[in-house]
Amino acid sequence: NAGVTQTPKFRILKIGQSMTLQCTQDMNHNYMYWYRQDPGMGLKLIYYSVGAGITDKGEVPNGYNVSRSTTEDFPLRLELAAPSQTSVYFCASSYHRGRGSNYGYTFGSGTRLTVV
Amino acid sequence: TQLLEQSPQFLSIQEGENLTVYCNSSSVFSSLQWYRQEPGEGPVLLVTVVTGGEVKKLKRLTFQFGDARKDSSLHITAAQPGDTGLYLCAGAQETSGSRLTFGEGTQLTVNP
Repeated sequence: NAGVTQTPKFRILKIGQSMTLQCTQDMNHNYMYWYRQDPGMGLKLIYYSVGAGITDKGEVPNGYNVSRSTTEDFPLRLELAAPSQTSVYFCASSYHRGRGSNYGYTFGSGTRLTVV
Repeated sequence: TQLLEQSPQFLSIQEGENLTVYCNSSSVFSSLQWYRQEPGEGPVLLVTVVTGGEVKKLKRLTFQFGDARKDSSLHITAAQPGDTGLYLCAGAQETSGSRLTFGEGTQLTVNP
């Protein structure tokens, strides 16, 4: 069981370049999330999805876009990379069957992105 | 302003010592989770607490949810070098559904 798989693990981008961070899960989780982690700042939610075809903004969505065409995949798109987007990005998934369910998140191992 | 405040931010102790990490908020949470993260990896869920006053034990780790569901603590007994890592608390609120708000983390180093 692979869990949550993120690719690539490392990437260096030049300012203004674009890229897609890939995330796929094989646990049939309905919810998926993208977080960024900066030193001393914890995890900040970028976008999330409660099911295929449904996405919504999190706390820090500017400069990013997502899509959720299947249950398994939740790619994160950076259109015009900026130095402020240098960070470690984590994809996560969870299963929820209704209000009050408290299942934990399963995280991928992260993508370390540097924008120069 | 951080919704969940963790303290201390850094903790360096010797093997065999006990320690407590705190997670505090002025807001009420429907549930609170603790994760541990090792370098180069994503956070891994340790425990979920949902009831005010709830205490859960995981080997040498004891987790407590405050009576008012605004705070939580993680106590480690006889710490070992393998406990080294970043400990994150994360809370879910009724208004946020499944979305978790994370604290800034406590970086624990246990020296042999």
